Amino acid sequence: EIVLTQSPATLSLSPGERATLSCRASQSVRSYLAWYQQKAGQAPRLLIYDASKRATGIPARFSGSGSGTDFTLTISSLEPEDFAAYYCQQRSNWPQTFGQGTKLEIK
Amino acid sequence: EVQLVESGGGLVQPGGSLRLSCAASGFSFSSYWMSWVRQAPGKGLQWVANIKQDGSEKYYVGSVEGRFTVSRDNAKNSLYLQMNSLRAEDTAVYYCANSFSGYYETWGQGTLVTVSS
Repeated sequence: EIVLTQSPATLSLSPGERATLSCRASQSVRSYLAWYQQKAGQAPRLLIYDASKRATGIPARFSGSGSGTDFTLTISSLEPEDFAAYYCQQRSNWPQTFGQGTKLEIK
Repeated sequence: EVQLVESGGGLVQPGGSLRLSCAASGFSFSSYWMSWVRQAPGKGLQWVANIKQDGSEKYYVGSVEGRFTVSRDNAKNSLYLQMNSLRAEDTAVYYCANSFSGYYETWGQGTLVTVSS
């Protein structure tokens, strides 16, 4: 099973700042990685798939990069509604697995 | 509007059974793989089961293999999860989601399953 390790566990930033979230895989997942946002009490929402493709309706301030074992989700300028938990997920190998999450909180 | 609505969660004793349902609308249900994903209280996400468009292929995470059964009724645009021999560690919010290329595009609001005596 591929283990996805996200860092940091918690990220404290202010609105307007740039956020950089990391996801590292225990073995190569090629570009088969997605990012999800989950706000408190809500279901997750797909942001990025295939490492860098934005899902429908996702603002351009969200971008993804990486391949192989190291991936990054970047939020260029944080909006108040961006403070939430973020999860990465790989679909390269069965079973599909998720990272443990990064909580993005307001500083 | 694409929508998934789960139901059937609740409190059940260890060893008991529960059947979850997921009603789909706003998209071509029979064209999608469907999945169940769960989230234990305060924890991360865990994929539970997948089912192919025509129900001919089903896959499960190891911890539920032999206890859970995923099924679907394309005529009713519905997805199901029959959960037997429930354990405390199955306590979670269960989400249904439609899958494309192994990713989860649309999620329901979730239904809470609590396994406790």
